[in-house]
Amino acid sequence: QVQLQESGPGLVKPSETLSLTCSVSGYFISIGYHWGWIRRPPGKGLEWIGTVSHTGTTYYSPSLRSRITISLDTSQNQFSLRLNSVTAADTAVYYCAKEGDSGFGAFHVWGQGTMVAVSS
Amino acid sequence: QSALTQPASVSGSPGQSITISCTGTSSDIGSYNYVSWYQQHPGKAPKLMIYDVTNRPSGVSDRFSGSKSGNTASLTISGLRAEDEAEYFCASYASSITLLFGGGTKLTVL
Repeated sequence: QVQLQESGPGLVKPSETLSLTCSVSGYFISIGYHWGWIRRPPGKGLEWIGTVSHTGTTYYSPSLRSRITISLDTSQNQFSLRLNSVTAADTAVYYCAKEGDSGFGAFHVWGQGTMVAVSS
Repeated sequence: QSALTQPASVSGSPGQSITISCTGTSSDIGSYNYVSWYQQHPGKAPKLMIYDVTNRPSGVSDRFSGSKSGNTASLTISGLRAEDEAEYFCASYASSITLLFGGGTKLTVL
């Protein structure tokens, strides 16, 4: 059974970089599937951040592309998110998720989510 | 690319059926059969209920069904139950390899 777990700081200062890691158990991320990051700001809906394939190919939200990097660390069976120059608008619950044998954007397995606040 | 459009809220009584719409454009829903639906209870992670417009993941009740016509996708829940009360989000693949979410619909079971 595949399980995902997000980790990272719960508080980031404005203009700094938000860094999160998603640890995967039950499946080697280098074998297959796409792995994504999604967030939900307080009082708002879900927002797709980006996705990385098992080969390291990345797909980013156009609105965030200039500030984000998603990468794989197959040695640790993890994938990560870096979001630069954060503002209060980046305050959200951040989820990592795994796609299945289906179309782009169908995330079958999710982490529990981690709250990140941007504040000085 | 704008978010997909969903009604802010819908409601129904136990046992009834409800349908939630999700309207996009010819660049997303209208061109691709990659529409997903997610259920999210407060404080919980989203759960995939429908993928590729009509498919249910293993373990999801057959009371949940999906469809699409033109630029609009729909999620229908039949035989409403109290535990169905949650927020529902649609998502669609869009051109240039991006993913759009809807704004979310809060379902109230009366």
